[in-house]
Amino acid sequence: ETGVTQTPRHLVMGMTNKKSLKCEQHLGHNAMYWYKQSAKKPLELMFVYSLEERVENNSVPSRFSPECPNSSHLFLHLHTLQPEDSALYLCASSQPLSRNEQFFGPGTRLTVL
Amino acid sequence: AQSVAQPEDQVNVAEGNPLTVKCTYSVSGNPYLFWYVQYPNRGLQFLLKYITGDNLVKGSYGFEAEFNKSQTSFHLKKPSALVSDSALYFCAVRDPQGGGYQKVTFGIGTKLQVIP
Repeated sequence: ETGVTQTPRHLVMGMTNKKSLKCEQHLGHNAMYWYKQSAKKPLELMFVYSLEERVENNSVPSRFSPECPNSSHLFLHLHTLQPEDSALYLCASSQPLSRNEQFFGPGTRLTVL
Repeated sequence: AQSVAQPEDQVNVAEGNPLTVKCTYSVSGNPYLFWYVQYPNRGLQFLLKYITGDNLVKGSYGFEAEFNKSQTSFHLKKPSALVSDSALYFCAVRDPQGGGYQKVTFGIGTKLQVIP
């Protein structure tokens, strides 16, 4: 297993609920990422934080709200989601240089009813 | 804009036979190329990368990949497949000359099925 953990591993929520996904990395990296993985689609990069500053926001709906309180922790706050938001949400971390590979957590399987 | 193509949704190979998972890319400059593997209910795991230098890159679990600039390809290979290699494989590209934050673009993945 990598040094990136995600909780919860599974989440079922209604469209009116508020929930948060948590990611923690123990690798000393300075960049963290949220991806959405849906079947038969490329990984969709949602947000990137480098040195705790958001550097990428890929036109993600406002019902997804990221938070990076420090370089080891990343949150994704969820509010009034839609059924099409059901997917595997992956967190990753890396050193910021572009030649460095990313280390992924196991993901949170989200189902929106 | 950069892009990655994995032309095969699924590759089937008999155990012990060589395997190839194909990847082609498009970037404006010299690419950084990556392969990742995803086992069921797990996140992606890094296998190998090409940054510069020798076109043949060796990685984890006996995998290797060959960078071919003229064909803009970075195919993943293994001389002898194992049943445990069955998984989803992702190719990814990054343009280091893009400036600013350099996003990685992933392919849609190729499912490798190794048949006992």
